[in-house]
Amino acid sequence: AQRVTQPEKLLSVFKGAPVELKCNYSYSGSPELFWYVQYSRQRLQLLLRHISRESIKGFTADLNKGETSFHLKKPFAQEEDSAMYYCALRGTYKYIFGTGTRLKVLA
Amino acid sequence: DTGVSQDPRHKITKRGQNVTFRCDPISEHNRLYWYRQTLGQGPEFLTYFQNEAQLEKSRLLSDRFSAERPKGSFSTLEIQRTEQGDSAMYLCASSDSYAGQSDGYTFGSGTRLTVV
Repeated sequence: AQRVTQPEKLLSVFKGAPVELKCNYSYSGSPELFWYVQYSRQRLQLLLRHISRESIKGFTADLNKGETSFHLKKPFAQEEDSAMYYCALRGTYKYIFGTGTRLKVLA
Repeated sequence: DTGVSQDPRHKITKRGQNVTFRCDPISEHNRLYWYRQTLGQGPEFLTYFQNEAQLEKSRLLSDRFSAERPKGSFSTLEIQRTEQGDSAMYLCASSDSYAGQSDGYTFGSGTRLTVV
C-alpha cells in the first residue's frame, strides 16, 4: 500500500535550535517525495522535492530508501518557520499526503 | 496569471442541497486535481484530470460527487444531496507535465464547505 506517515502532530522548538520533521513512506516502486508547507492564512505550497536535492529556506531533506524516510531538517530554526508541514509521495496520478506536523518555533 | 483560483472561498449549505465549486488552474497547466481536507488530516485525493479527460477517481468520491473539466480549462466539482460528513476544505491544484520530471502542485486557496 502507498502510505505516508508523519508521526508528530506538533513539534515545538526554540529559535536557533535544530529542527527535524519526520516522514516515513511505504511505496513499492521508486518513490518521488515532496515537502509542502502551509503558513498561517496562506495556501499550501511546495517547499522542496527530493529529486532536486535542493535547499529551500535553509531546509533540506534526504531520501533514505533503506529506512523509507524523507525527514525534513533545518540546522537553526527561525520564528518564520512556524507553519504546518506535509510530506507527500507521488503515486501514479496523484500525491499521497501525510497528516502533517505543526512546527512552532518559540522565541 | 494569479495562480490557481477557487470560487467560492466559503459555502454554507443545508443538508440535502446541491453545491458546485469552481477551479481555474494556471492556464498552461494541463493537469488538474481535486483534494479534500478535513480537520487534522492531510489532503486526500478525490479526482484527477489531464486536459479534459478524467483519468482517476478516488473511492472517496461517492455517486453524489461529480467533476468536470470541459475544454480542459476550468473545472467544477458538484456535490449532490450534501451530508454533514461532506463538510471539509476542498482544494484544487494544477501542474504541468513534461517528460522525466515532476514539478509538484500549485494549490488554490480552497473552498470551505459547511453543511448544517
